Amino acid sequence: NAGVTQTPKFRVLKTGQSMTLLCAQDMNHEYMYWYRQDPGMGLRLIHYSVGEGTTAKGEVPDGYNVSRLKKQNFLLGLESAAPSQTSVYFCASSGRDRLSYNEQFFGPGTRLTVL
Amino acid sequence: DAKTTQPPSMDCAEGRAANLPCNHSTISGNEYVYWYRQIHSQGPQYIIHGLKNNETNEMASLIITEDRKSSTLILPHATLRDTAVYYCIVRAYSGNTPLVFGKGTRLSVIA
Repeated sequence: NAGVTQTPKFRVLKTGQSMTLLCAQDMNHEYMYWYRQDPGMGLRLIHYSVGEGTTAKGEVPDGYNVSRLKKQNFLLGLESAAPSQTSVYFCASSGRDRLSYNEQFFGPGTRLTVL
Repeated sequence: DAKTTQPPSMDCAEGRAANLPCNHSTISGNEYVYWYRQIHSQGPQYIIHGLKNNETNEMASLIITEDRKSSTLILPHATLRDTAVYYCIVRAYSGNTPLVFGKGTRLSVIA
C-alpha cells in the first residue's frame, strides 16, 4: 500500500498562474481532505469530500476549488494563485466505518511558493 | 477555533516518560479526545483517541480526567524520534466532523 500520495512535492508559481494538486489514496477511503499549513501554525481545513462526486467547504475555502471524480483521487485547484497561498498543502483520507473513521492518514505534503 | 489549550513547548530527557497535558474544559458529551503528532515537516500521524476511559496502544497512553475537562498523553519511554509537535483535538463522533488543529505542543527529546 502506498497510502496517501501527493503530486507534486514542490512547486513555484507566479502570481495569477493556475495549478492543480493531486491527491491519491489506495485504501478505499470514503473521506478525503485538503489542509494548508502556514509556518508555525496548525493545519487548517480547506475543503473535504465525503464521497465520490461530493465536496464541501472547510475553514479556509476561498481561492480554491476541488473535485472528486474518482473515489481514490481528490484534486485541489488554484485558479489564480496569490502570494497569500504560499503554504504547505496536506491531503488526508479516512474511512467511514467505526474502525477506520478515527484515523486520518496524511500525505507527505506539497510545498507551494507563489511569487 | 481549536477547543483545546496546550503548552507551546516541552522538553523531555531521552528514556524518560513524556507527559503532555491538554485542557478541553468545554468538551461536549459526544466529543472524543484525539492526539496526533507531526514530525518535522511530515504529514501528521494519528496516535490515540478516547472518550472517557484511559486508553493505551503501542505508541502511547491517554489519561482523561473524570470530568473530561483535561487529558494527558504519555509516551512511556521517549526517544529522539519522538521529537515532534503534538496536537490535542476534540472532535464529535458523528457524521464527518473535521479535525481542527491548534498550534500544539513542540516536544523536544534531549539525549
